[in-house]
Amino acid sequence: DAGVTQSPTHLIKTRGQQVTLRCSPKSGHDTVSWYQQALGQGPQFIFQYYEEEERQRGNFPDRFSGHQFPNYSSELNVNALLLGDSALYLCASSWGTGALGQPQHFGDGTRLSIL
Amino acid sequence: QQPVQSPQAVILREGEDAVINCSSSKALYSVHWYRQKHGEAPVFLMILLKGGEQKGHDKISASFNEKKQQSSLYLTASQLSYSGTYFCGTRASARNQFYFGTGTSLTVIP
Repeated sequence: DAGVTQSPTHLIKTRGQQVTLRCSPKSGHDTVSWYQQALGQGPQFIFQYYEEEERQRGNFPDRFSGHQFPNYSSELNVNALLLGDSALYLCASSWGTGALGQPQHFGDGTRLSIL
Repeated sequence: QQPVQSPQAVILREGEDAVINCSSSKALYSVHWYRQKHGEAPVFLMILLKGGEQKGHDKISASFNEKKQQSSLYLTASQLSYSGTYFCGTRASARNQFYFGTGTSLTVIP
């Protein structure tokens, strides 16, 4: 049973560039959430996708956008990269949006470094 | 709305017990507990729901005081493998976003 998979593992970009991160949810899960984790901090919620729509959004600018595909996989796009966007980006999947109290399962993350 | 955890850090010897607390300023619908080892993804430990339902691991227990908007994670007879950073995560309602707590670093030494 494959867990949550994210790609790429590491990525180096320069300021102003754009990046796309990818996530495949755990088998049987239909909801994907994205988190940003700065070094030494807890994960911060970016947004959640369910039924190919953004259902919830945290306090992140419009430079952060996403998409969910019919097979439940998801992408996180970040435009006009800033030095402060350097972080570990985590994808979490679950069955349902949280209304049923289901746990989230996390991927290993993508380490994004901005030079 | 970020939950506050205490203590920030704790060092234990193998076999000792520990309690990690999570406190929210808002009424809670659910509390999740995760452990994250350095350089790895958070791993689900326990979920507690308003009304008393719990889902999680056999060797870890937790409590959820809805009136005080607090949860506690109980680690007994700690093992070296328990080392890591523990995060609580909360939802104020079924439709609210998920907030991770401030984190508690736990180190178990021989």
